[in-house]
Amino acid sequence: GAVVSQHPSRVICKSGTSVKIECRSLDFQATTMFWYRQFPKKSLMLMATSNEGSKATYEQGVEKDKFLINHASLTLSTLTVTSAHPEDSSFYICSAPSPPGLAGGNKYNEQFFGPGTRLTVL
Amino acid sequence: AQKVTQAQTEISVVEKEDVTLDCVYETRDTTYYLFWYKQPPSGELVFLIRRNSFDEQNEISGRYSWNFQKSTSSFNFTITASQVVDSAVYFCALSGRLSRAQKLVFGQGTRLTINP
Repeated sequence: GAVVSQHPSRVICKSGTSVKIECRSLDFQATTMFWYRQFPKKSLMLMATSNEGSKATYEQGVEKDKFLINHASLTLSTLTVTSAHPEDSSFYICSAPSPPGLAGGNKYNEQFFGPGTRLTVL
Repeated sequence: AQKVTQAQTEISVVEKEDVTLDCVYETRDTTYYLFWYKQPPSGELVFLIRRNSFDEQNEISGRYSWNFQKSTSSFNFTITASQVVDSAVYFCALSGRLSRAQKLVFGQGTRLTINP
């Protein structure tokens, strides 16, 4: 089945630094990827939709200058948390929708999630 | 707007008991998809099931079963003869047929603890 990887799995950084998280689709192409954020013991909240070849679409309340998204290729999207602060500490998860033909040929199939990146800002 | 409600924040049962996790959703889409995911302590989301709005047939997979009731906008999940390994946070999610790439709206999650 399709696999989505994330790197790094865990990162600890000092306040004020920028952190880049990579999301890769390993055996399929993804023109769209999604970035979710999960606070401890909370649900997953969609932050933005990453679009290959165009600007990301951010959800209401998400600072686009704070969370920079670049969909560099059909298999890679990156999320950069700029000037990170302790309140940015969270679990970040990316996902990519199953392409047509995979898992039954249905266009609107399941999402494949990455394993997540736990960010801790000191 | 789409919304998913999991009213049960935490459930704790003794091993071998049956347990049902509730999920109620709201959507204006006539075509939509419902999902259940399991999130163990490691954090990785494990896909359990996908259901489309046209298919109200209940599904059973081993000890897991799902009851989709369109009339009440519910998609409940039952674990039969629960085991300690079932302990995790379970999320119900919804996506609408707005475009090819579907973003998910998640419920708040239910933390299930199975005690030996």
